[in-house]
Amino acid sequence: GAVVSQHPSWVICKSGTSVKIECRSLDFQATTMFWYRQFPKQSLMLMATSNEGSKATYEQGVEKDKFLINHASLTLSTLTVTSAHPEDSSFYICSATGTASYEQYFGPGTRLTVT
Amino acid sequence: QKEVEQNSGPLSVPEGAIASLNCTYSDRVSQSFFWYRQYSGKSPELIMSIYSNGDKEDGRFTAQLNKASQYVSLLIRDSQPSDSATYLCAVMRGNKLVFGAGTILRVKS
Repeated sequence: GAVVSQHPSWVICKSGTSVKIECRSLDFQATTMFWYRQFPKQSLMLMATSNEGSKATYEQGVEKDKFLINHASLTLSTLTVTSAHPEDSSFYICSATGTASYEQYFGPGTRLTVT
Repeated sequence: QKEVEQNSGPLSVPEGAIASLNCTYSDRVSQSFFWYRQYSGKSPELIMSIYSNGDKEDGRFTAQLNKASQYVSLLIRDSQPSDSATYLCAVMRGNKLVFGAGTILRVKS
């Protein structure tokens, strides 16, 4: 149980375009979903927290107009990187918690490369 | 002082030995603690959660929590080469996780 999927697993896009990443909880209802970014050899950096049906809460320093988060249902959240630039190239990982516990379960991650 | 501190390692242990990973945290009111394993290029995988003082065992893994000392540890018995990874300690703050920088574990056969 507690499986979280992400799609796509990797994506290459041109500078200036937008990319959408999907995060789904497959076998539980996710009351809260989290989006992280991880650069090589660095720890996870929380970008934002989202609850179903409400606006995401962004961490300090994260541009909300650049990283659009939609949590449309209890099983789906999306992150859209708008007007991507090479410095946005990173490993983006979502996680989710349900109602039963505090444990966060991570998706497999999406590796974004902006050329 | 960082909110969650871990020795970055690498910690090298021979196959079959016990690996001991340590973590300290600064917020005395923290109640929920987690250990994650992250293989290179992969996302974190939850190994253990612990909420009460004492030991919690799951297979080859034992988590230990001492709230008075603000200390949480993870013991891995009978270490295997497949245990080689980065181990992340995380403390819950509100509904968010605060991660340590991680300890690299290398198990040598």
